[in-house]
Amino acid sequence: DAKTTQPPSMDCAEGRAANLPCNHSTISGNEYVYWYRQIHSQGPQYIIHGLKNNETNEMASLIITEDRKSSTLILPHATLRDTAVYYCIVVSGAGSYQLTFGKGTKLSVIP
Amino acid sequence: EPEVTQTPSHQVTQMGQEVILRCVPISNHLYFYWYRQILGQKVEFLVSFYNNEISEKSEIFDDQFSVERPDGSNFTLKIRSTKLEDSAMYFCASSFGLAGGLDTQYFGPGTRLTVL
Repeated sequence: DAKTTQPPSMDCAEGRAANLPCNHSTISGNEYVYWYRQIHSQGPQYIIHGLKNNETNEMASLIITEDRKSSTLILPHATLRDTAVYYCIVVSGAGSYQLTFGKGTKLSVIP
Repeated sequence: EPEVTQTPSHQVTQMGQEVILRCVPISNHLYFYWYRQILGQKVEFLVSFYNNEISEKSEIFDDQFSVERPDGSNFTLKIRSTKLEDSAMYFCASSFGLAGGLDTQYFGPGTRLTVL
């Protein structure tokens, strides 16, 4: 699976949009970009995933560049409860697969 | 909304003892996983399980570890003889098993294992 690079930490003011970048320059054509987050020591929580088109769900939006070498997770109106470590993970294949977690981005939402 | 559950939330054991961590995956899911996270470190893959067999395992998953689906709802991780370095959060996850990369793993809340 392709390696990802994320900034170690970011701050965001409460109520503002949080934009979390991820670089995955070695991604291949059949690999998906997944985002998870981990609040304190809880289990990782699935947020969103995409292949090449932008995606939106009730939690977030995912913007993938045309060359697929980078993506941005957008939390449109960050709240204090969004303070967490956010992981960008590139995944290939179907069925059984392992998620390789990096260090992620520690997002701190500030009142 | 269906969720993965794990018991116990916290397990304390003596070094050398056997422990069994339990998970109830989401009911219609076919793939099951265990991950662990040592305090302050990354989440690490241990093993995946499908059709009553191990599909993949990491180097961490040595002979001291085993997994089992004893009935239609539970999925367990057994550590035969615990070591101090086994102290960690253990997360169970499950996924449905869709083709085409659309499979999403859903995680449980974790079991904190403390080996004394």
